[in-house]
Amino acid sequence: SQQGEEDPQALSIQEGENATMNCSYKTSINNLQWYRQNSGRGLVHLILIRSNEREKHSGRLRVTLDTSKKSSSLLITASRAADTASYFCATPITRSNQFYFGTGTSLTVIP
Amino acid sequence: SQTIHQWPATLVQPVGSPLSLECTVEGTSNPNLYWYRQAAGRGLQLLFYSVGIGQISSEVPQNLSASRPQDRQFILSSKKLLLSDSGFYLCAWSVRWGQAGNQPQHFGDGTRLSIL
Repeated sequence: SQQGEEDPQALSIQEGENATMNCSYKTSINNLQWYRQNSGRGLVHLILIRSNEREKHSGRLRVTLDTSKKSSSLLITASRAADTASYFCATPITRSNQFYFGTGTSLTVIP
Repeated sequence: SQTIHQWPATLVQPVGSPLSLECTVEGTSNPNLYWYRQAAGRGLQLLFYSVGIGQISSEVPQNLSASRPQDRQFILSSKKLLLSDSGFYLCAWSVRWGQAGNQPQHFGDGTRLSIL
């Protein structure tokens, strides 16, 4: 399968610190996406990185992709209490209209 | 701009009762539509997806069904709910196949379903 699995499952940091979450997958992909989910809400798309990109930035977010290791990381710099949420990576399933979502990393930012 | 609406936000139903959850999308045409279920503290399980009116693909055998009576309307149904149907149900859309794998999915705010 093209599973994307996040690591760690849970992360607790102080406000102002950086948060790093990792995602591993099993098969070739043409892109990988990161989503955020606040408690009790739907998922919100954060960033998409294509297979020919190694790094991408969006505000305080930095995403890396290493296709040789089949892994991606999401870095949130200078974290804020409002960043408290679950973060998921998603990989499109080849030749389909579907995506596989991992089980997520639950991030808690302590004020 | 595009928006997606899901209702109701919460629902408490007895075992054996029917279910109808509705999702509508505005501001786009011919979207791919998806129903996911999320158990507490878990990832998303794809239940159904649709690439057009009346075209439904099922990913998980269960007592749920989906229908797409209109281009931007997606309905999740059950004739008789089970305890195991409890969960958080999310509807999502993405652009039609050809670019779907390279585009984000856009989610509604979900329905919290509790079966008693």
